[in-house]
Amino acid sequence: AAGVIQSPRHLIKEKRETATLKCYPIPRHDTVYWYQQGPGQDPQFLISFYEKMQSDKGSIPDRFSAQQFSDYHSELNMSSLELGDSALYFCASSLAPPMWGGPPDTQYFGPGTRLTVL
Amino acid sequence: ELKVEQNPLFLSMQEGKNYTIYCNYSTTSDRLYWYRQDPGKSLESLFVLLSNGAVKQEGRLMASLDTKARLSTLHITAAVHDLSATYFCAVGRSNFGNEKLTFGTGTRLTIIP
Repeated sequence: AAGVIQSPRHLIKEKRETATLKCYPIPRHDTVYWYQQGPGQDPQFLISFYEKMQSDKGSIPDRFSAQQFSDYHSELNMSSLELGDSALYFCASSLAPPMWGGPPDTQYFGPGTRLTVL
Repeated sequence: ELKVEQNPLFLSMQEGKNYTIYCNYSTTSDRLYWYRQDPGKSLESLFVLLSNGAVKQEGRLMASLDTKARLSTLHITAAVHDLSATYFCAVGRSNFGNEKLTFGTGTRLTIIP
C-alpha cells in the first residue's frame, strides 16, 4: 500500500539559511500533520492542515510556515535556521471523518526528513 | 496543559521475560495510541485505544486503557530481541475532525539475549 512520502530524506544547511520540506500524503488523505523530533526527544506537534486550511497549530516557531496545496501535498518552509532546528521532521496524513461526525482516522507517519543545521 | 508521562524511560530486559510500560496523562483524552520507533526511523502505529477498559493484543504486545485513572499500559510477554525499540504512547485530542497528538517521553526497550 502507498505510504506517506517525504522529501528530501536528508538535508544539511548552514545557520541562517532556509529549507523547504515536502510531504505527499497517502492517496485520498486530506489531512496533513507536521511533527518535529529532536535528538532523544519525543515528537512535538507543529501544525496541521485540512482541505488546504490550517486546522491546528502547536509549538511552531514564527520562522516556520507551512501550507497545503490543491493536490493535498504540504510544504514546511523554515527560514533563518538555527542550530536547534536540527531534528527529524515527520509528516503524517489521515482521512478526516465525514461531515456528520465520527472519530478521526489514525495518523500514518512518513519516513521523516533529517535536517542538520551546521 | 496536557502532559503525558511514561515510565520507565529505559528498560533492559532478558529474552523470555514479561514487563509493562506505563503511560499516564494529565487531562481527559479522546484516544490513546501506542507507537513503535526504531532508531532513526519512522513511527509505526501499534494500537489505538478508544474507550475505558479497552484492551488490544497483537503478538507479544498487549495494550490497555483506564480512562478513569488516566493510565494506559503496554505489556510485553516473553520478550524477543525483535521487540527492541523505543515505544511511545500518545494522547489524541480532537479538534473539528483533526487530531493533535501529544506524545509521551518514550521508553527505550532493549532485549538482551
